[in-house]
Amino acid sequence: NAGVTQTPKFQVLKTGQSMTLQCAQDMNHNSMYWYRQDPGMGLRLIYYSASEGTTDKGEVPNGYNVSRLNKREFSLRLESAAPSQTSVYFCASSPLTGNTEAFFGQGTRLTVV
Amino acid sequence: AQSVTQPDIHITVSEGASLELRCNYSYGATPYLFWYVQSPGQGLQLLLKYFSGDTLVQGIKGFEAEFKRSQSSFNLRKPSVHWSDAAEYFCAVGGRGGSEKLVFGKGTKLTVNP
Repeated sequence: NAGVTQTPKFQVLKTGQSMTLQCAQDMNHNSMYWYRQDPGMGLRLIYYSASEGTTDKGEVPNGYNVSRLNKREFSLRLESAAPSQTSVYFCASSPLTGNTEAFFGQGTRLTVV
Repeated sequence: AQSVTQPDIHITVSEGASLELRCNYSYGATPYLFWYVQSPGQGLQLLLKYFSGDTLVQGIKGFEAEFKRSQSSFNLRKPSVHWSDAAEYFCAVGGRGGSEKLVFGKGTKLTVNP
């Protein structure tokens, strides 16, 4: 049972570089999320997709873009990475948005130098 | 929009002692409430959830939580803590609308002394 799979697990970027974080779920969930986790800040929602074909901004969307490629996949793109985007990124999915439990991937640790 | 407050950033207890982690939420109606646990370097795992009905809910690993509407609280408890419970704990609130997102508190880090 794979659940939610994130790639890569670790990444180091130089300031200004771009990259895409990949997320796939095999639970046929409708909703998917991207969070970032920083010390003392908890999990902050970057973007979410309530269902295939829709995306919405969360609490901290600046500097990020997302694509809900299909029901399984939800990618997060950093167009021009900044040191402030150094964080641990978590993808999650849930059957519905907000009123069902979310299942999390193992995280991507991103460092921007 | 809903919000969650976890007043305690860090709690230290001795192994075998009881534990209570506090969570207060803000939401206009009865929310969906969750507690998650995160071990170092890991993702988040669901401990328990409240949707409706009995206000005392049981979860995995011997944890329980009580929903108190009058206090807007959903505190997590465990009668006797084990060293393996050392982790970070997150309370989360979801809305009853179909598109309302899940919002997390900032977390409480639990240290267990031998």
